[in-house]
Amino acid sequence: DVKVTQSSRYLVKRTGEKVFLECVQDMDHENMFWYRQDPGLGLRLIYFSYDVKMKEKGDIPEGYSVSREKKERFSLILESASTNQTSMYLCASTLGLGYGYTFGSGTRLTVV
Amino acid sequence: GESVGLHLPTLSVQEGDNSIINCAYSNSASDYFIWYKQESGKGPQFIIDIRSNMDKRQGQRVTVLLNKTVKHLSLQIAATQPGDSAVYFCAENTSGTYKYIFGTGTRLKVLA
Repeated sequence: DVKVTQSSRYLVKRTGEKVFLECVQDMDHENMFWYRQDPGLGLRLIYFSYDVKMKEKGDIPEGYSVSREKKERFSLILESASTNQTSMYLCASTLGLGYGYTFGSGTRLTVV
Repeated sequence: GESVGLHLPTLSVQEGDNSIINCAYSNSASDYFIWYKQESGKGPQFIIDIRSNMDKRQGQRVTVLLNKTVKHLSLQIAATQPGDSAVYFCAENTSGTYKYIFGTGTRLKVLA
């Protein structure tokens, strides 16, 4: 069974901390994505990557950066966490254009 | 519990009845559509997809209907079971792009 694994289910961080959210997929997918999910707003795309070391901004990249050093791993970085970044973060991967996503279980991040 | 579904419309159905969940999509250029199911505390899970050259597609207990004229998508679940209780949302995509637009979702509650 194919899998997208997010390293943490729950995280609590302090304002100003640098936060790393890790995502690993075992499907040899080219494309990986980071979304955040908030009540009433649905899923919003933060960043995506279509190849190793490649990245593209999504709709809400401000306050975030990403790293894709290896094909299977896509990291989301909050350079200086703020309370408005409290959210559910979802990682996804896809085989390519025209294919649906496989999502991870999500990381619920609380910034205090 | 998870707060993802705090502001969602809710559909309550009796166990064994059929459920119909609707979605109005936004982009007339979208030609690929997916329904996802998200249980509390978990990431979204692929249920069924449909491409714009089809009006209807059936899976196991689920059927997706696509009406391109009015930009409407529906998910029908036959003989709804307690395990179907979740948030359901649609996603739309345009060929040649990586980006999906997600609906905000509908909460399905199955009454025993």
